[in-house]
Amino acid sequence: SYELTQPPSVSVSPGQTARITCSGDALPIQYGYWYQQKPGQAPVLVIYKDSERPSGIPERFSGSSSGTTVTLTISGVQAEDEADYYCQSSDSSGTFYVFGTGTKVTVL
Amino acid sequence: EVQLVESGGGLVKPGGSLRLSCAASGFAFSTYSVNWVRQAPGKGLEWVSSINSNSAYIYYADSVKGRFTISRDNAKNSLYLQMNSLRAEDTAVYYCARIVGTTGNYYLDNWGQGTLVTVSS
Repeated sequence: SYELTQPPSVSVSPGQTARITCSGDALPIQYGYWYQQKPGQAPVLVIYKDSERPSGIPERFSGSSSGTTVTLTISGVQAEDEADYYCQSSDSSGTFYVFGTGTKVTVL
Repeated sequence: EVQLVESGGGLVKPGGSLRLSCAASGFAFSTYSVNWVRQAPGKGLEWVSSINSNSAYIYYADSVKGRFTISRDNAKNSLYLQMNSLRAEDTAVYYCARIVGTTGNYYLDNWGQGTLVTVSS
């Protein structure tokens, strides 16, 4: 089955930049999407179509794509950004949803 | 405002059944595809099932195929998940989520708060 691989954890000091990668073989032909999930809450979409930001999401959240990897970048990290982040894409047929393994961002 | 509210979760014995519901409001429910996604305690997100706007296209994850049935009632703005032959590994918070995007590139722009299903004897 198709898998998306993320680092388990990323630690960053306030004001610094956090980068979270997501790797998958179909990413060159499928968009990547990113969700933020805080404890006890539902996921929230923060990036769609690799690099687009939904309304209401702060500008410090950005996304990029290169080959088999998509990256979520949080610039000027704030304490409120501490959360789990999941990438999502589709398999090569575009039929099934696949979520990444998840990355816990800790703000030191 | 888009709202999705799940209900129907609870404690059920292995082999039992449960029916989850998701009430939608704030958007034209009948024109959107919708998903069920689950999250086991302390684990990541797992896609469960999808249904398109007129129920013509339905998909399941291999882990639930043959045991779970997704359905919708557009007149009632509601999504359902009938879960049979439940196993301990089905224990999770179940979220309904609205699907947006274009063919082959779909994503989930609004999620409910989830309902907890616990399968235990």
